[in-house]
Amino acid sequence: NAGVTQTPKFRILKIGQSMTLQCTQDMNHNYMYWYRQDPGMGLKLIYYSVGAGITDKGEVPNGYNVSRSTTEDFPLRLELAAPSQTSVYFCASRTANTEAFFGQGTRLTVV
Amino acid sequence: DQQVKQNSPSLSVQEGRISILNCDYTNSMFDYFLWYKKYPAEGPTFLISISSIKDKNEDGRFTVFLNKSAKHLSLHIVPSQPGDSAVYFCAASSPYTNAGKSTFGDGTTLTVKP
Repeated sequence: NAGVTQTPKFRILKIGQSMTLQCTQDMNHNYMYWYRQDPGMGLKLIYYSVGAGITDKGEVPNGYNVSRSTTEDFPLRLELAAPSQTSVYFCASRTANTEAFFGQGTRLTVV
Repeated sequence: DQQVKQNSPSLSVQEGRISILNCDYTNSMFDYFLWYKKYPAEGPTFLISISSIKDKNEDGRFTVFLNKSAKHLSLHIVPSQPGDSAVYFCAASSPYTNAGKSTFGDGTTLTVKP
């Protein structure tokens, strides 16, 4: 049981480049979330999904897109990367009334 | 407006003593509260939770207290151990509404000295 798996672990992007952060969970959780954590700050919600085919914006969605074609996968797409998107990104999943399980994070630097 | 606040960015305690981490919230719709622990270069992991129908929940060395009237919760760790050194995040949510989204505080870095 791998839990929540994120790839890649580290990435350096140039300004204006695009990339997709992958997130897969094997716990059959309906709810999935993408957070970003800036230094010294808490987790800010980017996008979330309550099930396959359903996604919605969180607190800080600008510059990002998501899709949820399957229960297992919830990729986060960055278009036209900007230095403000330098952060650590965490994917999480949960069932209706349990705690969230987090991936190990993706450390992204935009230069 | 930050709905969940952890006013102490850091806390240092001696091994064997009690650690008390505090968290305040403003949204009275929150009815489920969680503490997560995070080590460097890892994702947060769940530690303990409490529903708004309770005022205390205990799990081994960890106890969470909830004061609904003050909109305040605290995490007590007794006795503290060096392995407890980590960042602790308080989170609040409404599990059955709003897609169960959690709002996180900024975290408190706990250092337990041997």
